[in-house]
Amino acid sequence: DVKVTQSSRYLVKRTGEKVFLECVQDMDHENMFWYRQDPGLGLRLIYFSYDVKMKEKGDIPEGYSVSREKKERFSLILESASTNQTSMYLCASSLGVSHGELFFGEGSRLTVL
Amino acid sequence: QKEVEQDPGPLSVPEGAIVSLNCTYSNSAFQYFMWYRQYSRKGPELLMYTYSSGNKEDGRFTAQVDKSSKYISLFIRDSQPSDSATYLCAMREAAGNKLTFGGGTRVLVKP
Repeated sequence: DVKVTQSSRYLVKRTGEKVFLECVQDMDHENMFWYRQDPGLGLRLIYFSYDVKMKEKGDIPEGYSVSREKKERFSLILESASTNQTSMYLCASSLGVSHGELFFGEGSRLTVL
Repeated sequence: QKEVEQDPGPLSVPEGAIVSLNCTYSNSAFQYFMWYRQYSRKGPELLMYTYSSGNKEDGRFTAQVDKSSKYISLFIRDSQPSDSATYLCAMREAAGNKLTFGGGTRVLVKP
């Protein structure tokens, strides 16, 4: 069974803290993605990666960075968390350019106080 | 204006009714169209995947794409309480793997 695992389901952080969100997939997928989901706004792409050590900005990269040191792992980093980064963060992976199906993790709900 | 528009709902229907969902979009380059289902406190999962215009049927689910009107639909026949979820449309251009999502429609099927 395919699996995308996000290490933390719920986090509460303070403004200014550094936050790491980890995502691991066991499907040997080339592509990995980080989205945030907010009510009424749907899913918005933060960053994505087509290969190890490769990253591309999505639609809303400001305030975020990513790391992909291994094929199966894609980390999202908030260098200095702010209250407007309170959101649900979803990691996803997909097989290749010609495949549109994304496999999602269960999400990490981050609250920044 | 958002690139993909979707009525947020909630859409409440009795069990057994037909659920009709739709999205409109502005980017004529979109070629691939998807519907994802998201249960509460879970990640989205792919429900239907269609290319270009036309219909696609899978069990109780039918997806329609009308590229001339920039309009896609999802129909759920004989709806069940287990269909209660948020339904997200998504679409992408022919080149690249980046999806653009609608805001999602929350559906509640009452027994």
